[in-house]
Amino acid sequence: AQRVTQPEKLLSVFKGAPVELKCNYSYSGSPELFWYVQYSRQRLQLLLRHISRESIKGFTADLNKGETSFHLKKPFAQEEDSAMYYCALRDAYGQNFVFGPGTRLSVLP
Amino acid sequence: GAGVSQTPSNKVTEKGKYVELRCDPISGHTALYWYRQSLGQGPEFLIYFQGTGAADDSGLPNDRFFAVRPEGSVSTLKIQRTERGDSAMYLCASSPRGTSFSGANVLTFGAGSRLTVL
Repeated sequence: AQRVTQPEKLLSVFKGAPVELKCNYSYSGSPELFWYVQYSRQRLQLLLRHISRESIKGFTADLNKGETSFHLKKPFAQEEDSAMYYCALRDAYGQNFVFGPGTRLSVLP
Repeated sequence: GAGVSQTPSNKVTEKGKYVELRCDPISGHTALYWYRQSLGQGPEFLIYFQGTGAADDSGLPNDRFFAVRPEGSVSTLKIQRTERGDSAMYLCASSPRGTSFSGANVLTFGAGSRLTVL
């Protein structure tokens, strides 16, 4: 069965510091991985997906199939990055999206 | 519509009552998902529709939960004999299509319906 884990419930960093939000998954096939973000009082929204290989708001994430990880990184955190971040997996055959428990990122001034 | 619309935004009910939650997806989106999110947890999959049919309802916790999408657009999540443990945020999301592993299928979420069972 697919499973997504995010080991940190809360991550606090100072503005300008690098940030890494961890995501690991278990899936036997070739998954599609996503990061979703929820800012305060806003809807859950897509941040980025591994297949696009893009940088959004300075965030990047690389799929590491050997380590079954999809960690989200940003070299210099900004206060507006404070939000809940969810890693999600979609398998190639079913259409279900499985979400991790989320990590709350708090960027301190 | 411009986005995914969910009504009501808040629903307070008593244990044992029947509840309906509505989702109006983005026009033209054939795939529609329901998730449940409890406090401090990630969205938990309930059911997925492709068109009018439920393609995967494996996440529905028990037979008190049922969902329909009769015309392939609006969907209603129905909960019978509500229990206090049903209290959660119910999220709906839609996607342009759900059958192709094209990388273009991302979820657009609604604002959610917060259900409180007293």
